[in-house]
Amino acid sequence: AQSVTQPDIHITVSEGASLELRCNYSYGATPYLFWYVQSPGQGLQLLLKYFSGDTLVQGIKGFEAEFKRSQSSFNLRKPSVHWSDAAEYFCAVADFSGGYNKLIFGAGTRLAVHP
Amino acid sequence: NAGVMQNPRHLVRRRGQEARLRCSPMKGHSHVYWYRQLPEEGLKFMVYLQKENIIDESGMPKERFSAEFPKEGPSILRIQQVVRGDSAAYFCASSPRSWTRPTDTQYFGPGTRLTVL
Repeated sequence: AQSVTQPDIHITVSEGASLELRCNYSYGATPYLFWYVQSPGQGLQLLLKYFSGDTLVQGIKGFEAEFKRSQSSFNLRKPSVHWSDAAEYFCAVADFSGGYNKLIFGAGTRLAVHP
Repeated sequence: NAGVMQNPRHLVRRRGQEARLRCSPMKGHSHVYWYRQLPEEGLKFMVYLQKENIIDESGMPKERFSAEFPKEGPSILRIQQVVRGDSAAYFCASSPRSWTRPTDTQYFGPGTRLTVL
């Protein structure tokens, strides 16, 4: 069955430090992969998505993610974190098995940023 | 160009009451998805609807839950006889088509946070 694993439940970094959030997926075919961010009490905002082509994807707010098929991973990175990046981050894969698409989400990683 | 609208944003119900959650998709979108986020968990798919049709309700509990997307008006997620375990954030997403093309994306609303006392 398709699934998404985010191994880190909570991560704390200092402002200005680099960030990497891990995501592993299980999917039989070529995956469509996404990262969403959820600020407290807010809805989900799409950060970036991968469908095909270049395995390094650029997103909004200075984020990027790299698709590695051999590792079944789609890790999210940012070179320098800002205090406003504190939020919950969700990795998702699109499930095509029903002939249409629905998203399967990981459990999320909560990011705290120290000044 | 308004995004996906959901109302109410917060809803408080006592056990046994009914909850009605509304979702207005983005203009031009005819496909709606509902997801539920339990506390400290990720989002879980509940149901996928097109106008006047339920396409997939495999993620929705068989009892007490129902969803509709009429020809006119918003999509409604209805929970009858709510219990404490229904307390969660319910998110709606819309897309312009069944999203078989990479350029299509699901756009999420701000969610309705349901609290059952």
